[in-house]
Amino acid sequence: DTGVSQDPRHKITKRGQNVTFRCDPISEHNRLYWYRQTLGQGPEFLTYFQNEAQLEKSRLLSDRFSAERPKGSFSTLEIQRTEQGDSAMYLCASSSDRPYEQYFGPGTRLTVT
Amino acid sequence: GENVEQHPSTLSVQEGDSAVIKCTYSDSASNYFPWYKQELGKRPQLIIDIRSNVGEKKDQRIAVTLNKTAKHFSLHITETQPEDSAVYFCAAHSGRGKLTFGTGTRLQVTL
Repeated sequence: DTGVSQDPRHKITKRGQNVTFRCDPISEHNRLYWYRQTLGQGPEFLTYFQNEAQLEKSRLLSDRFSAERPKGSFSTLEIQRTEQGDSAMYLCASSSDRPYEQYFGPGTRLTVT
Repeated sequence: GENVEQHPSTLSVQEGDSAVIKCTYSDSASNYFPWYKQELGKRPQLIIDIRSNVGEKKDQRIAVTLNKTAKHFSLHITETQPEDSAVYFCAAHSGRGKLTFGTGTRLQVTL
């Protein structure tokens, strides 16, 4: 499968714990995006990378959230001290510079109890 | 920042009828407008897109129109089929990286 992949697909954690998600983009794509989607809503932008550089972060991304893409390939999104409000689907997408088509992975569904 | 509004939130049509979903955007710098289809429990799937230098684009039963002056764009699905049932999201891209999504339209195609 040459599409975007994410791991894990589901994560249940207790409030206050730290979690880390991984995204592997389409191999020839140099841009990688993280979005969050709650039930009944469209995806909300969190952050994006061009190669290893993090170029934009949403105000939604509190200091408990950190994302990395150390070698310009896969990316990780870490949430520290999780809260119940962090429960959502975390989607990763990738694209090349031109065109801008963003292709999504299957998402990681986070449940904070 | 960009704001995208989408209507209607739900749409029910009979099989074979047409469906139209409309979106408006606020940032005149936005130049790329994709549409995604999301089935329950699945990832958003890019189905069609349009760039600001084009007024209309068609792909089989799906078409998208763009009115830059009015800052609105629409998705048209003709000859709807039960497998078209899903949530559809419009989005706008201003060239800086992120997509701003609408709130979605739940399309139900009934037999």
